[in-house]
Amino acid sequence: LAKTTQPISMDSYEGQEVNITCSHNNIATNDYITWYQQFPSQGPRFIIQGYKTKVTNEVASLFIPADRKSSTLSLPRVSLSDTAVYYCLATNNLFFGTGTRLTVIP
Amino acid sequence: DGGITQSPKYLFRKEGQNVTLSCEQNLNHDAMYWYRQDPGQGLRLIYYSQIVNDFQKGDIAEGYSVSREKKESFPLTVTSAQKNPTAFYLCASSETSGVGYEQYFGPGTRLTVT
Repeated sequence: LAKTTQPISMDSYEGQEVNITCSHNNIATNDYITWYQQFPSQGPRFIIQGYKTKVTNEVASLFIPADRKSSTLSLPRVSLSDTAVYYCLATNNLFFGTGTRLTVIP
Repeated sequence: DGGITQSPKYLFRKEGQNVTLSCEQNLNHDAMYWYRQDPGQGLRLIYYSQIVNDFQKGDIAEGYSVSREKKESFPLTVTSAQKNPTAFYLCASSETSGVGYEQYFGPGTRLTVT
């Protein structure tokens, strides 16, 4: 199963765009790339999912290059409420890593 | 109002006792999952079930047991064999367990064993 590698933590100022990159060198042909957000003491919440190129929804964009060995979650104009842990999955959605802890600073 | 419920939110037990955590979903999902999360760590898969009366071990199944007698219910029993049971337990479900299906998570149960 494809392992993912993400930065452990990131800081950003409020109002900035944040890009979190995930590496998944061993991604399988049928793997989707899925991102979840988790607040303290809550269950993770689905953010976005893609297979290739670019996907955009009301909260984020997901960029996936042609070789699919990495992906980038883009959060436009973050606010304090975006402070959370973000997980990247590149498997059949069963395996979470340690995620990226994003802290938004006023 | 569809979703996943876990009860109770907080649970306290003495060491050596078995304890069962409840997970119910009314989303008509086939697949259900149990994860464990320790402070500052990611989620680790304990068990998952793709269909009623069937389940598979995840990464850390030792000391845990599950049953899936009904589609909407997937209870987890933490047995006395689990060496470090104190943790945050999360239940999830998805339409199927195939690729591309997002998981919906419950609010979690925080278990403390002393």
